[in-house]
Amino acid sequence: RKEVEQDPGPFNVPEGATVAFNCTYSNSASQSFFWYRQDCRKEPKLLMSVYSSGNEDGRFTAQLNRASQYISLLIRDSKLSDSATYLCVVNLGGSNYKLTFGKGTLLTVNP
Amino acid sequence: NAGVTQTPKFRILKIGQSMTLQCTQDMNHNYMYWYRQDPGMGLKLIYYSVGAGITDKGEVPNGYNVSRSTTEDFPLRLELAAPSQTSVYFCASSRQGGSETQYFGPGTRLLVL
Repeated sequence: RKEVEQDPGPFNVPEGATVAFNCTYSNSASQSFFWYRQDCRKEPKLLMSVYSSGNEDGRFTAQLNRASQYISLLIRDSKLSDSATYLCVVNLGGSNYKLTFGKGTLLTVNP
Repeated sequence: NAGVTQTPKFRILKIGQSMTLQCTQDMNHNYMYWYRQDPGMGLKLIYYSVGAGITDKGEVPNGYNVSRSTTEDFPLRLELAAPSQTSVYFCASSRQGGSETQYFGPGTRLLVL
């Protein structure tokens, strides 16, 4: 299994749609989980951390399934401004500093 | 706060030339990182630092060097540039280690011809 693997995408959805991204990680001892967003030709920015009990921020919901070693991101009522690449990021454990980034999933929201 | 700043934004190098990518943060963060991002690939860690005077290698350190003489600055040095170093380079910082949010600079696009 790759260290951090995401849906390859791309995803093309109409405005208002609900879209979900999945990500798997290789190490069951992984400690911290994040979703970052990267706009075209820009730097990654934190979208949300992922907590064990799941968490929601407006239209965005993140879930963690430790038993199956995957995290998910659900976007409801998609907006044009949600178009971006979504990066799954994991602290795989064994080191306090290192985050491992997935390759990203490109989302395009169409009018 | 400016956050994390990087210079230059874009550079073209000839094979064998050297250059330094500058990175500065004004958030008093202890940890700083250099990543490279190739098209369609995830970010790869080149070097990191846990504080002034302390640096260590990441996944892909070959061909690069770093120094951290102050909390604010973390320059990345490319010696003898090669086409394989064509990439987008991001500097990032965080207050503490892997459980903390990393804040990224705007990136430096490097083309080696």
